Amino acid sequence: DAEITQSPRHKITETGRQVTLACHQTWNHNNMFWYRQDLGHGLRLIHYSYGVHDTNKGEVSDGYSVSRSNTEDLPLTLESAASSQTSVYFCASSGAKGDTEAFFGQGTRLTVV
Amino acid sequence: QQQVKQSPQSLIVQKGGISIINCAYENTAFDYFPWYQQFPGKGPALLIAIRPDVSEKKEGRFTISFNKSAKQFSLHIMDSQPGDSATYFCAASRETSGSRLTFGEGTQLTVNP
Repeated sequence: DAEITQSPRHKITETGRQVTLACHQTWNHNNMFWYRQDLGHGLRLIHYSYGVHDTNKGEVSDGYSVSRSNTEDLPLTLESAASSQTSVYFCASSGAKGDTEAFFGQGTRLTVV
Repeated sequence: QQQVKQSPQSLIVQKGGISIINCAYENTAFDYFPWYQQFPGKGPALLIAIRPDVSEKKEGRFTISFNKSAKQFSLHIMDSQPGDSATYFCAASRETSGSRLTFGEGTQLTVNP
């Protein structure tokens, strides 16, 4: 069955370190998204991609970067982790049409100490 | 700037009761309004969605009511069950944005037996 997987599921890192969260989907979807989930804010869009070599900034992109070298993967990098980036991160993918279902991964809980 | 506002933040209902969650949006360009359900430790999953050309959509015990002029939409859960206890997110997107979702803040629903 097609799926979307995130790794690691849990990560503790120190302030200032570079961290990369992985996202891999086997839906063959063109569209991929990274969101962060914080209490009282719902899910907020960090970065998104509509295809290979395409990346775009979302609502809360400062301190984050992504790259899309193939259809299946959209890794999220925190260049220099900060305590404000402690959150639960979700990756999602969807087909090309705007009203199609977005499929979410299980999430990565990141703690920056 | 929160483009989609959701209320209440938390909701407790008795088994068999009706759960109602409300959302309001600002951007009139939105043309797709999904509701996502999230269980603890899991990613959000699509529950039901509506386009603005209809005022109501029903799937089993779940109904979306949509008021385009008021820029509001709501989720009604009839005959609420303990298994419905989860966090619910309303969202909005534009068809041309490829499921790039703007989420509400979320509602934690508890259904007591």
